[in-house]
Amino acid sequence: DAKTTQPTSMDCAEGRAANLPCNHSTISGNEYVYWYRQIHSQGPQYIIHGLKNNETNEMASLIITEDRKSSTLILPHATLRDTAVYYCIVTLTDKLIFGTGTRLQVFP
Amino acid sequence: GAVVSQHPSWVICKSGTSVKIECRSLDFQATTMFWYRQFPKQSLMLMATSNEGSKATYEQGVEKDKFLINHASLTLSTLTVTSAHPEDSSFYICSGLPPGLATRGTDTQYFGPGTRLTVL
Repeated sequence: DAKTTQPTSMDCAEGRAANLPCNHSTISGNEYVYWYRQIHSQGPQYIIHGLKNNETNEMASLIITEDRKSSTLILPHATLRDTAVYYCIVTLTDKLIFGTGTRLQVFP
Repeated sequence: GAVVSQHPSWVICKSGTSVKIECRSLDFQATTMFWYRQFPKQSLMLMATSNEGSKATYEQGVEKDKFLINHASLTLSTLTVTSAHPEDSSFYICSGLPPGLATRGTDTQYFGPGTRLTVL
């Protein structure tokens, strides 16, 4: 599975959009990009995933660059409850290998 | 989304005893379940993959005789930490994978809330 690089931490004001970047320059053609988040002392929560096209669901939007070497998770209107560690995972199989993720702090 | 439960949510035990953690998929059948371990301020580490009715596949460095995994039904997998020691104290998390379509990317793992194990 391709390695991902994410910033260690980010801050975002409540109500603003949170844009979380992920670099996966070694991604192969069949690998999907998954995003999960983990709120403190809880199990991870699935957010969204995609292959090539941009995706949107009720939680977030996923923007994947045309060369697929990077992606951005967008939380359109961040709330305090979105404070969590966000993991970007690239995988070809059912196995998820978690990196260190981005700790997003949403402040009032 | 689908719901996965774990029991117990936390457990404290004495060194040398064995502890069993249950992982249940409540509203779907999980042909595959995964077990993770997370130490404080660290990321999740995949321990093993379990498929219903067959032996679990352990990740490199994980002792299969110490961490016994049983996946006897499509809704239940158990992890038994045998002869637990303080260094086994951790947050153990399971996930279930619903039987998806043949095309990769259409199925998603659903995680349990985790079990915090403290070994004294």
